[in-house]
Amino acid sequence: DTGVSQDPRHKITKRGQNVTFRCDPISEHNRLYWYRQTLGQGPEFLTYFQNEAQLEKSRLLSDRFSAERPKGSFSTLEIQRTEQGDSAMYLCASSRPGQGADEQFFGPGTRLTVL
Amino acid sequence: AQSVTQLGSHVSVSEGALVLLRCNYSSSVPPYLFWYVQYPNQGLQLLLKYTSAATLVKGINGFEAEFKKSETSFHLTKPSAHMSDAAEYFCAVSLQGAQKLVFGQGTRLTINP
Repeated sequence: DTGVSQDPRHKITKRGQNVTFRCDPISEHNRLYWYRQTLGQGPEFLTYFQNEAQLEKSRLLSDRFSAERPKGSFSTLEIQRTEQGDSAMYLCASSRPGQGADEQFFGPGTRLTVL
Repeated sequence: AQSVTQLGSHVSVSEGALVLLRCNYSSSVPPYLFWYVQYPNQGLQLLLKYTSAATLVKGINGFEAEFKKSETSFHLTKPSAHMSDAAEYFCAVSLQGAQKLVFGQGTRLTINP
């Protein structure tokens, strides 16, 4: 068990460019989450998958954002036409259904800087 | 909708002193409550969680939290602070049956030697 991994760890891009981030969850976890964290704030929920199905999306996820989990394993988060306001840490988490509340295991995050 | 308020964006204590980080929640139904810790340039690590069993929850690294329904609080404590406790701490809530976590804005804990 190597934990949740995210790639890249850092991304610097120019406004208007597209970026894609990858998240590899813990292997037996069928739930996967994306959160966004801006400086000095707590993480904010973006979207959630159970296996390959995207079950919930936040209003924060504008039409420039798209997330996929095609085979129920890794997930990608794409941001099209990036804006300076997209600069943030993008966190991925995974969990396995259990009794009571799932424990979400977080990856190290991808820090995006839009110039 | 549920929400979380963490009182104090910055808390500073001396090494060996009591740590108290405050969290109040708002929820129309019994919630699940969590405390996470985040070290610089790292993801979040779960310290402890409340899932409607015992109201006093013990977590890792000597931390514990008490769920008080009458006060809608879930404060985090540690009897004796260690230098390695310096980090950002987040309280979070989720509803039973829901999956997403709603986080507070965080409290940065500084430990003075």
